[in-house]
Amino acid sequence: EPEVTQTPSHQVTQMGQEVILRCVPISNHLYFYWYRQILGQKVEFLVSFYNNEISEKSEIFDDQFSVERPDGSNFTLKIRSTKLEDSAMYFCASSVTSGSQQSTYNEQFFGPGTRLTVL
Amino acid sequence: AQSVTQPDIHITVSEGASLELRCNYSYGATPYLFWYVQSPGQGLQLLLKYFSGDTLVQGIKGFEAEFKRSQSSFNLRKPSVHWSDAAEYFCAVAPASGGSYIPTFGRGTSLIVHP
Repeated sequence: EPEVTQTPSHQVTQMGQEVILRCVPISNHLYFYWYRQILGQKVEFLVSFYNNEISEKSEIFDDQFSVERPDGSNFTLKIRSTKLEDSAMYFCASSVTSGSQQSTYNEQFFGPGTRLTVL
Repeated sequence: AQSVTQPDIHITVSEGASLELRCNYSYGATPYLFWYVQSPGQGLQLLLKYFSGDTLVQGIKGFEAEFKRSQSSFNLRKPSVHWSDAAEYFCAVAPASGGSYIPTFGRGTSLIVHP
């Protein structure tokens, strides 16, 4: 069964360093998402991406964050200058469509997450 | 803005016992409602979803959930829990019309199953 994969599973970095989290969405999916979950808190939406541009982003997704689909398979989240409060589990997800049509809501398939620790 | 409350951070049950995980939401209209499960080392997997119609929704792995509009609740149930059900469970809500279809998640409930 196709699945979303994420690498690395764990990333430890020093404050101020740049990190790139990688995701391989399901191959026929067109919409891509990043979420994060700070330990003990809710899963929070960061950004959605379609047709090589951001379609929606939350307040969390500020200028230190960027997303890219550098090739036909990868979808990356870059954090330019990491802060201690960026420590969290980051989930990638993908869906066939955005679910904004009259048809049923389109299920997002989630990856296993990357645990980012900023020291 | 919508919000989701899962009042129980941890739930412990014995294998074979019944289970109910609570979820309350706040939203101006009837939203789309979801339950996700996350097993250790795995991503979030959709258990079931409610869009409209029958308020009792059947999902995978023997789970069901009931939408109660009057209580703004969408509790998850299973009649007999298996040890493999030990996981983190997330309730989520998304607007049913217009705007964003991005789900808002609760904090999650960790299910512990005793043999």
